[in-house]
Amino acid sequence: GQQLNQSPQSMFIQEGEDVSMNCTSSSIFNTWLWYKQDPGEGPVLLIALYKAGELTSNGRLTAQFGITRKDSFLNISASIPSDVGIYFCAGHYGNKLVFGAGTILRVKS
Amino acid sequence: GAVVSQHPSRVICKSGTSVKIECRSLDFQATTMFWYRQFPKQSLMLMATSNEGSKATYEQGVEKDKFLINHASLTLSTLTVTSAHPEDSSFYICSAARTGPNSPLHFGNGTRLTVT
Repeated sequence: GQQLNQSPQSMFIQEGEDVSMNCTSSSIFNTWLWYKQDPGEGPVLLIALYKAGELTSNGRLTAQFGITRKDSFLNISASIPSDVGIYFCAGHYGNKLVFGAGTILRVKS
Repeated sequence: GAVVSQHPSRVICKSGTSVKIECRSLDFQATTMFWYRQFPKQSLMLMATSNEGSKATYEQGVEKDKFLINHASLTLSTLTVTSAHPEDSSFYICSAARTGPNSPLHFGNGTRLTVT
């Protein structure tokens, strides 16, 4: 099936630092989505991107849909302890939503 | 607030028994719902697409006779794990899209299944 390559696999950062993670694929995706998952819960949608080149912000979060439609990044500015969790990129391929492997974010206060 | 409700959140069952998990869209109708499975520290893997009024579409490698899906109404899909075994222990998550194709999926809070 289609694969999304998400990196980094994990990050351990100091509170207040900015964070950047990205996803790439060899295939073109119709949408790019970014989710956050807390332990024992379902993923929560953070940002949805629909057009190539689109740059969207949600508070301290900013994400972009790559021009080639094969990649996306998520930035978190001025990280805080509650940013801890697993971040997943996801993309629509046909009518299916495919997920990246996730980025585990830990924040040191 | 939550738009997809999943129940139960946790279930422990004995090997050989069956378990039913419910997924409801709370304030919208979902002709299509999706069931995912997630192992510890891994990503979400799509198991099947649940279609209201018709048979579910299963991903390669997922046994349709083991994971029975029923999408009887526009707001409810159920996943039944039949004759459960310890290797079926996992986190099962359902999802639905508010609007049409390529709309973001909203996820339930998941069901932690433990088979003893």
